[in-house]
Amino acid sequence: DSGVTQTPKHLITATGQRVTLRCSPRSGDLSVYWYQQSLDQGLQFLIQYYNGEERAKGNILERFSAQQFPDLHSELNLSSLELGDSALYFCASSVYLRDEQYFGPGTRLTVT
Amino acid sequence: DQQVKQNSPSLSVQEGRISILNCDYTNSMFDYFLWYKKYPAEGPTFLISISSIKDKNEDGRFTVFLNKSAKHLSLHIVPSQPGDSAVYFCAASVTNAGGTSYGKLTFGQGTILTVHP
Repeated sequence: DSGVTQTPKHLITATGQRVTLRCSPRSGDLSVYWYQQSLDQGLQFLIQYYNGEERAKGNILERFSAQQFPDLHSELNLSSLELGDSALYFCASSVYLRDEQYFGPGTRLTVT
Repeated sequence: DQQVKQNSPSLSVQEGRISILNCDYTNSMFDYFLWYKKYPAEGPTFLISISSIKDKNEDGRFTVFLNKSAKHLSLHIVPSQPGDSAVYFCAASVTNAGGTSYGKLTFGQGTILTVHP
C-alpha cells in the first residue's frame, strides 16, 4: 500500500459525458501528479500540482482539467468524453524535492 | 517520439538466476532515472533510482547501472524470485541545477519479467 488513494476504482460512462477522478496523496506529500495509461501509449504524464499550484504540464487535452485543494487532495476532470479516453488514470504523490513518486491503484475509465 | 525506450517487451528467467532489464534514452537533459515495478490491477511501485552523477546504485537484490555516454541504464535483480514477476518500467526526469524536480517522469513502455520456479 503506497498510501495514495484514488476513487472510484472503476468508472463506466458514455461518450460526451463528464467525470471527476479523485486522489488523496500520502500524508506529508505536497506534490500530486496525474498519469494516463492506455494500451498503446504506455504511462503518459498529464499534469502536476504542488501545494495547490499547477507546476508542470504534459500532453493534457484541453477537455481535461485538474486542481489541488487546500487539504492537498486533487481532482482530475474529464469532459466531452470520447472512446479514446478509455484508460487507466493514475495519481502519484511525492515530497517536493524528490522524484520518487508513489502511485495510487488507479481508476479504470471505460467510455462506451 | 519515444524518449525512453525499453526494447525488450518480455524477459523470462529461472528462479535464482540474474534478471537484467535494459533501458535506453535519447534526451541528454535527463539526469535522474528510476525503476518501477507494476503488478496487474495495481499502481507502479517505486524500486530504485539513480542520479546522473553516479554510475551504480544498489538496494538489496536490486542494482541499477547507468552508462551516460551510451544513454543506457539497466536493472539487475539477483537472485531472481518468482515474486519478482511483474512489469518493470524505467523512467527519467530532468532536475534543475538545485536538484528540484521539474515533476515530469517520462516512462518507457515496460518489460514483462517472468521468473520461473
